[in-house]
Amino acid sequence: SAVISQKPSRDICQRGTSLTIQCQVDSQVTMMFWYRQQPGQSLTLIATANQGSEATYESGFVIDKFPISRPNLTFSTLTVSNMSPEDSSIYLCSATLTSGAGANEQFFGPGTRLTVL
Amino acid sequence: SQKIEQNSEALNIQEGKTATLTCNYTNYSPAYLQWYRQDPGRGPVFLLLIRENEKEKRKERLKVTFDTTLKQSLFHITASQPADSATYLCALMAGSNYKLTFGKGTLLTVNP
Repeated sequence: SAVISQKPSRDICQRGTSLTIQCQVDSQVTMMFWYRQQPGQSLTLIATANQGSEATYESGFVIDKFPISRPNLTFSTLTVSNMSPEDSSIYLCSATLTSGAGANEQFFGPGTRLTVL
Repeated sequence: SQKIEQNSEALNIQEGKTATLTCNYTNYSPAYLQWYRQDPGRGPVFLLLIRENEKEKRKERLKVTFDTTLKQSLFHITASQPADSATYLCALMAGSNYKLTFGKGTLLTVNP
């Protein structure tokens, strides 16, 4: 299994500013993902964070708005840029192994609760 | 378009009874179907995974069935306890990209 931590756990930001969320995994994992969970809704995948290369974004999400980095196998960041109140949400990092025991299970961080005023 | 439906937003049952949650999907051919538990203010926690060629999987008091003809999975919690109260999410993985598509979840409340 993997234990995932995220920083910050929550933040209140002003419209037009940017926030970078950090995700740290306690072991080397193959795949890392970023999700958004809006109030009362399920999780929506934003992008797959690829190590050493550009992230792969899902329909409706773009790099200029949600730049992602993944410099190594255990760390990734998501930036929410030029924020508006519509970006208020919980942002979750997840990771998975693609082989061995526990392959295909996704482990989630505790989430970052973002409020944009 | 792909659609995942969990049969009800909320389910209330008495302690000791079996809780049964349903997940239906359309326009999808998942390789894996997974169930997660989410408590308020926390990230989802993996519970069970079942492959497209498996009919049933068990883990302690949990049982999952997967019917690819009906495009449906049933998730059972036997001898339910108040501590089982949480939101349960169904998620599908299509194949080798490991990406999950989640249903909206069912809020289960087990009353003592």
